[in-house]
Amino acid sequence: DTVLTQSPALAVSPGERVTISCRASESVSTLMHWYQQKPGQQPTLLIYLASNLESGVPARFSGSGSGTDFTLTIDPVEADDTATYYCQQSWNDPPTFGGGTKLELK
Amino acid sequence: EVKLQQSGDELVRPGASVKMSCKASGYTFTDYAMHWVKQSPGQGLEWIGTIIPLIDTTSYNQKFKGKATLTADKSSNTAYMELSRLTSEDSAVYYCAQLGGNWFAYWGQGTLVTVSS
Repeated sequence: DTVLTQSPALAVSPGERVTISCRASESVSTLMHWYQQKPGQQPTLLIYLASNLESGVPARFSGSGSGTDFTLTIDPVEADDTATYYCQQSWNDPPTFGGGTKLELK
Repeated sequence: EVKLQQSGDELVRPGASVKMSCKASGYTFTDYAMHWVKQSPGQGLEWIGTIIPLIDTTSYNQKFKGKATLTADKSSNTAYMELSRLTSEDSAVYYCAQLGGNWFAYWGQGTLVTVSS
């Protein structure tokens, strides 16, 4: 299975720019997607196909990357962005998720 | 508006089975595959499998073969997942999710399964 590696946690101040990385154990082309999960809630889609913003998601969120290295950027970060962020690949079977990056605000 | 409404939380005994549901609305049920995802306490997300309601075709993550059985009822726009021979390792939140393109566009609110004697 394709392993997706994310750093476990980040702490930033409101108004700052934050980048969350996701590295795949093998190429996934651009079939990488990002989700936000707040405590007690289901995940919600933020970015699909590496760089496409889901409808209704603030333009503060953006994604980039291809192959094995991907980045989710939030600029500027707001208090409401406190959540865990997951990457997910759909190039290789089975679909797999990263372990999640917990974003905390200082 | 697409909505996936999952059944309520379950407390089940070790060795038993549990069947949960996911009722879809706001779209044509047979147009999209339904997927199931496991989230263990404090853990990440694991893909369990998928069913294509139009043709009742299923595909499973090798890890969950023999553990999960996916079905769908086109008449009620409802997908089901049954988990068998439950152990403490099966205690988790289970989500149904609709695949839009190659990504999980919509998610149910989750069903918490607790396996305990």
